[in-house]
Amino acid sequence: SQQGEEDPQALSIQEGENATMNCSYKTSINNLQWYRQNSGRGLVHLILIRSNEREKHSGRLRVTLDTSKKSSSLLITASRAADTASYFCATDETSGSRLTFGEGTQLTVNP
Amino acid sequence: EAGVTQSPTHLIKTRGQQATLRCSPISGHTSVYWYQQALGLGLQFLLWYDEGEERNRGNFPPRFSGRQFPNYSSELNVNALELEDSALYLCASSSSFLSYEQYFGPGTRLTVT
Repeated sequence: SQQGEEDPQALSIQEGENATMNCSYKTSINNLQWYRQNSGRGLVHLILIRSNEREKHSGRLRVTLDTSKKSSSLLITASRAADTASYFCATDETSGSRLTFGEGTQLTVNP
Repeated sequence: EAGVTQSPTHLIKTRGQQATLRCSPISGHTSVYWYQQALGLGLQFLLWYDEGEERNRGNFPPRFSGRQFPNYSSELNVNALELEDSALYLCASSSSFLSYEQYFGPGTRLTVT
């Protein structure tokens, strides 16, 4: 079963705008990761945030984690057409274990 | 450094046949994970191997099986194929038992007719 739920399911923005995607989960976690998938291909690892971290940055990506609300958000700043993809959050409950994925957000960045 | 590789890219089988999918992890990675991404069902965990042992298994029937070889590459076998087994099968690897980041291969697209 899918633990994570992404919100929104689909997002369409113009190039240069910021994109925010949210993820909620149900159980306690060790870490939360965000992945990108282009057109049904393999997943690309974007960022990992540990349960004791609240915010993390990587380039144009900013991830926040609120364990009290069991939620995370992914912000992509100054979006580009190449950012068009599906974005998934994934959680693990114990170290080195299986990942449980959300349903994903389909992001479309219009040039 | 080479990433996770999977073969074949595409596989077409008929119902009742067996399928074998292969995965080579990133050099130095000892854990291999298999996931199924079927239309409408999202990404679901199948199997996890580490140091040649099966560590965990998802909610899939026994006809889904696999193994990990001494060089840490892995094989996923699906017996008695059913139409609903049509999906993208993704393999991921991680560097150690305590490393949380999983790196994914490009996937094998299995079509069962």
